[in-house]
Amino acid sequence: AQTVTQSQPEMSVQEAETVTLSCTYDTSESDYYLFWYKQPPSRQMILVIRQEAYKQQNATENRFSVNFQKAAKSFSLKISDSQLGDAAMYFCAYTDSGGGADGLTFGKGTHLIIQP
Amino acid sequence: KAGVTQTPRYLIKTRGQQVTLSCSPISGHRSVSWYQQTPGQGLQFLFEYFSETQRNKGNFPGRFSGRQFSNSRSEMNVSTLELGDSALYLCASSLGLPSYGYTFGSGTRLTVV
Repeated sequence: AQTVTQSQPEMSVQEAETVTLSCTYDTSESDYYLFWYKQPPSRQMILVIRQEAYKQQNATENRFSVNFQKAAKSFSLKISDSQLGDAAMYFCAYTDSGGGADGLTFGKGTHLIIQP
Repeated sequence: KAGVTQTPRYLIKTRGQQVTLSCSPISGHRSVSWYQQTPGQGLQFLFEYFSETQRNKGNFPGRFSGRQFSNSRSEMNVSTLELGDSALYLCASSLGLPSYGYTFGSGTRLTVV
């Protein structure tokens, strides 16, 4: 079974600074998808960024970018110019290319605190 | 475009009762997946429905069941509720493949007393 590990239960960053959230995963598949989701207190999971494993280029969405290291099975999220609205729980998730018999496999999450 | 709608937002039930939660996906999406979120176990996959058929199922007891209707709306049912079933239940809507991504609803907070 696939596993996703987020080793940082909580991270704190000053507003306008850059922060990197870590995620490692374990799979025997060669084709899969990785996601970062944000869950604010409103509870809704919001897609931040998506990476397809067969694409070498790291995904980028405005202030959010990933460092995808397929051989190391690492998928970190970098948030540049942190804003107060970025404060939330962040979850790393994995699924194989077929959608996965296990659906999305999530890490335990990282609680991101933005200091004004 | 309307998002994923889950009802009700909050629910309080007594141990031993049963409960039905509803999820209306984004228009045109044929896949609905359900997840249970608890502080201890995190987010766990319950099941996925695609075109009215259960396509995948997670490792939950048979008390947890679901169905999907022809309009893609889905319901999940939990029978003989236990205290440990208290959780946030999230549904995710998709076109059916991970390349299209998954859009989540705001969840139903179930409390079993």
